[in-house]
Amino acid sequence: EVQLVESGGGVVQPGESLRLSCSTSGFTFNAFAMHWVRQVPGKGLEWVGLVSADGVSTFFTDSMRGRFAISRDSAKKSLSLQLNNLTPADTGLYFCARDATPYGSGSCPDFWGQGTLVTVSS
Amino acid sequence: AIEMTQSPSSLSASVGDTVTITCRAHQGIANDLGWYQQKPGAAPKLLIFPASTLQSGVPSRFRGSSSGTDFTLTITRLQPADFATYYCLHTYNFPFSFGQGTRLQIK
Repeated sequence: EVQLVESGGGVVQPGESLRLSCSTSGFTFNAFAMHWVRQVPGKGLEWVGLVSADGVSTFFTDSMRGRFAISRDSAKKSLSLQLNNLTPADTGLYFCARDATPYGSGSCPDFWGQGTLVTVSS
Repeated sequence: AIEMTQSPSSLSASVGDTVTITCRAHQGIANDLGWYQQKPGAAPKLLIFPASTLQSGVPSRFRGSSSGTDFTLTITRLQPADFATYYCLHTYNFPFSFGQGTRLQIK
C-alpha cells in the first residue's frame, strides 16, 4: 500500500524558514517524481513544485521559485520542501504527492499524503 | 504559465441528478488534464487522467471529455458520496496549475 506522511509543519514568524518532510512507503521511491501542493484553509489547491525521480530536476510555480527548494533522499525514501523567507500568504496545508511517472510532465499526482499545516504569523 | 479557468465555482444538485463541471485552458494542453475530488479534511483523490480516462476503482458515473482547450467532468446519477469539491489540474508543461475548484452541494 502506497503511504505518504508529511511532517514538519508548525507556526513560524514572517521571514523565518521551515523544512517539511514527506516519508514514503509501499512503492519504489526512486521510480517516481514527487510533488508538493499547497492549500490555504478553506480555499483551493495550488501546485507548488516537483522533483524528478532521479532528483536532478526541480520545477516550481512562478511565485515560489527562488524561495522554496525541493530535495529527495533515496536512502530514506523521503522528500523535503525547504520554505524560506516565509510570509503570511504561505500559510496553508502542504501536501506531498507521488506522480505516476519519473518525470511529471504529461502525467499527474496519483497518491497523496494528508498534509502538514504551516502557519506564518507574527 | 498556463491558466485554468474552472466553472462554476459552486453547484447545487440533488441525488440522482447529472452535473457538468468545465475547465478551460488558456492555451493548448493536449489531453494532459486530471480531475480530482476532495472531501473536507481529506486529501484530493484522482478520478480521471488523462482527460477522459477513468482511474481504477472510480465509478463509471464519472466521465471526462474534451474539445480543444475545454475539458468537462460529467457526473451522472449523483450519489450522496459525490458531494465534494472538484478540481482540474493541467500537467502539460511546467508550472502545472489547478482550476479554482467547484463545490458540489446537495440541494
